[in-house]
Amino acid sequence: GIQVEQSPPDLILQEGANSTLRCNFSDSVNNLQWFHQNPWGQLINLFYIPSGTKQNGRLSATTVATERYSLLYISSSQTTDSGVYFCAGVSGNKLTFGGGTRVLVKP
Amino acid sequence: EPEVTQTPSHQVTQMGQEVILRCVPISNHLYFYWYRQILGQKVEFLVSFYNNEISEKSEIFDDQFSVERPDGSNFTLKIRSTKLEDSAMYFCASRTAGYGYTFGSGTRLTVV
Repeated sequence: GIQVEQSPPDLILQEGANSTLRCNFSDSVNNLQWFHQNPWGQLINLFYIPSGTKQNGRLSATTVATERYSLLYISSSQTTDSGVYFCAGVSGNKLTFGGGTRVLVKP
Repeated sequence: EPEVTQTPSHQVTQMGQEVILRCVPISNHLYFYWYRQILGQKVEFLVSFYNNEISEKSEIFDDQFSVERPDGSNFTLKIRSTKLEDSAMYFCASRTAGYGYTFGSGTRLTVV
């Protein structure tokens, strides 16, 4: 079956700090997407990243497909970055979510 | 930027009642999905839909659930006889080949 594992499960940051979130995925996953779930429950698409590195403002993501992991970097964190970050693996016509990393950024 | 639109944003229903959750996917997308998230848990796949038929469904998607694309723009999820355990956030998503999934804002369903 498809396995998508995220770490750490929880992260508390002081505003301005940097952090790295990790996602490990199984062989059957051929693409990867990162989402931010905000406090209102909305799933915001961050990156669609089968391999390589992408950047969007203070966020960037790197997927190393050959080693079956992806990293999400948050730099200079702000309180608005709080929420749950999900990675999700694409296999066939289905997206399978990891358990998420709950991030709290304190002012 | 194109959006997936879901209505209603909140719905409260009595146990045993039928509910229909509505979604308008992005207009040029061909693949449509329903996911759900029970409070505090991970997002779970329910069903995928392509070319006017179900392409895959999960174990959760039993005979109480059905999907329909009635008019070429809407995509609906029907729950025939709701149970307390159906209370969750339901997300609709769509995509086109080679691109990522776009999710709607969700419908929070509460069964009482």
